Amino acid sequence: QTVVTQEPSFSVSPGGTVTLTCDLNSGSISTNYYPSWYQQTPGQAPRTLIYNTNTRSSGVPDRFSGSILGDKAALTITGAQADDESDYYCALYMGSGIWVFGGGTKLTVL
Amino acid sequence: EVLLVESGGGLVQPGGSLRLSCAASGFTFSSYWMHWVRQAPGKGLVWVSRANGDASDTTYADSVKGRFTISRDNAKNTLYLQMNSLRAEDTAVYFCARSATGGYFDNWGQGSQVTVSS
Repeated sequence: QTVVTQEPSFSVSPGGTVTLTCDLNSGSISTNYYPSWYQQTPGQAPRTLIYNTNTRSSGVPDRFSGSILGDKAALTITGAQADDESDYYCALYMGSGIWVFGGGTKLTVL
Repeated sequence: EVLLVESGGGLVQPGGSLRLSCAASGFTFSSYWMHWVRQAPGKGLVWVSRANGDASDTTYADSVKGRFTISRDNAKNTLYLQMNSLRAEDTAVYFCARSATGGYFDNWGQGSQVTVSS
């Protein structure tokens, strides 16, 4: 069974930098999984942040960046702001028309 | 502007059925893969199902395979999710989402609440 793991929670100070990761139980994440990242606040639909590992979606500030770090996908927020406090989800395309989301990371900015 | 509007959610008893709809506008509907993604109360996002442009190719998460059917009517620009044999664990907000080239979800609806309870 495919399991994608994210840190359940993370805390960052305003103006600080934080890196959230996305891990695959069956092995290393590469660009072939087309990792993407989504931001969601309670009661709202997800917002697309990053796709194809490191491409920012339209209108997303450049303080958000995506990468592969080691064998994981990563989302880095540089210069965190109060309104970055949200839940963040990664998603991987497993091939054969199947996608899997990570469990999500609840980011606190304080 | 891309707009996705879900409807059809509600309260249903275990073992019952429900059909969700997602009305799309602002883009050439038939040119895009479309998905259903759900979120149980207080939990994370879970991919449920995908249909290609003409629904000739559909895929499902193991948790719903054999119970849920995704379909689309390109003449009506509408995506559907027929949900049968519903269980308590199917209780969730169901989002429809558009899939862009590159395998990611680039637009989302606001969601439709489905509650399975006696």
